[in-house]
Amino acid sequence: SQTIHQWPATLVQPVGSPLSLECTVEGTSNPNLYWYRQAAGRGLQLLFYSVGIGQISSEVPQNLSASRPQDRQFILSSKKLLLSDSGFYLCAWSVGGTSTDTQYFGPGTRLTVL
Amino acid sequence: KQEVTQIPAALSVPEGENLVLNCSFTDSAIYNLQWFRQDPGKGLTSLLLIQSSQREQTSGRLNASLDKSSGRSTLYIAASQPGDSATYLCAVKAAGNKLTFGGGTRVLVKP
Repeated sequence: SQTIHQWPATLVQPVGSPLSLECTVEGTSNPNLYWYRQAAGRGLQLLFYSVGIGQISSEVPQNLSASRPQDRQFILSSKKLLLSDSGFYLCAWSVGGTSTDTQYFGPGTRLTVL
Repeated sequence: KQEVTQIPAALSVPEGENLVLNCSFTDSAIYNLQWFRQDPGKGLTSLLLIQSSQREQTSGRLNASLDKSSGRSTLYIAASQPGDSATYLCAVKAAGNKLTFGGGTRVLVKP
């Protein structure tokens, strides 16, 4: 069966510090991968998605970047965090290439920027 | 641009009552619609997925309907239990493998 992992679970970082959040998926090959952010009082916002290694699409201009160095690894990064980067970050995966795929979500990372 | 709205934002019912959660979307050109559950501080759990060609899906006490032409979906939860307390999110999938989410309905089932 497939499993999706995210770490760390929680993170408190000062403004201006770098960020690296990691997501890995087990039990499947060549998944589509997604990063979402859920800010307080707001809905889930798609930040990045990837259909393969090194292929990243950005949905919103922002202070963040994403990379996919391996088939089942997705990394969210920032060089300098802003207060507005605080939120709950969720990684998700789906089977690629069809319209019938469900998205499966990881447990999330709670990021607080002070 | 697709917009998804969920009303009400919050709902409180006594145990045993049926729950009715609404979701509306502005662009009917969708591939599917998905309902998720989110417990506080946790990730999302997929409940039901309805393809654009389907009218409804059922799983246990859950039933979701889809009226694509009017841009609406309804999630019914029969005989609610305190364990059903959570936030319920709907999301529609259009071209490009992207989901657009509604803001969610926070449900509290009182014992």
